[in-house]
Amino acid sequence: GAVVSQHPSRVICKSGTSVKIECRSLDFQATTMFWYRQFPKQSLMLMATSNEGSKATYEQGVEKDKFLINHASLTLSTLTVTSAHPEDSSFYICSATLAGKAYEQYFGPGTRLTVT
Amino acid sequence: QKEVEQNSGPLSVPEGAIASLNCTYSDRGSQSFFWYRQYSGKSPELIMSIYSNGDKEDGRFTAQLNKASQYVSLLIRDSQPSDSATYLCASKRGSQGNLIFGKGTKLSVKP
Repeated sequence: GAVVSQHPSRVICKSGTSVKIECRSLDFQATTMFWYRQFPKQSLMLMATSNEGSKATYEQGVEKDKFLINHASLTLSTLTVTSAHPEDSSFYICSATLAGKAYEQYFGPGTRLTVT
Repeated sequence: QKEVEQNSGPLSVPEGAIASLNCTYSDRGSQSFFWYRQYSGKSPELIMSIYSNGDKEDGRFTAQLNKASQYVSLLIRDSQPSDSATYLCASKRGSQGNLIFGKGTKLSVKP
């Protein structure tokens, strides 16, 4: 149980284009989903927290107009990187918590974004 | 600022030995603690969670928590080459708080 999927696993896009990343909880309803970014040899940095049906809460320094988060249902959250630039190239990972077990987070497999 | 500190390593141990990974945290309000394993190019995988002082054992893994010293550790017994990965320590303040991650310790188990 507690499986989280992400799609796509890897994406290459040109500078200036937008990329959408999907995060799904496959066998549970996720009350909260989190989006992280990880640069090489660095730890995970929380970008935003999203709850189904409400606006995402962004961490300090994360541009909400650039990183659009939509949490339309209890099993799906999307992150759209708008007008991507090479410095946005990173490993983007989502995680989700189970309803009633908010202490534990389960991570998706991650999406490797490369902006050329 | 809330921080979780880990020695980046690499920590190298021979196969079959005990690997000891350590972590300290600065936020005394932290209530729950987690160890994640992350293989290169992959996302983190939850190994252990611990909420009370003392030891918690699960198979070859033992997590230890000392809230007075603000210290968390993970022991891996009978280390295997497949245990080679980066181990991330994380703390959390309550059920609604965010996970605060350390930078991870890279473990290398030599055959």
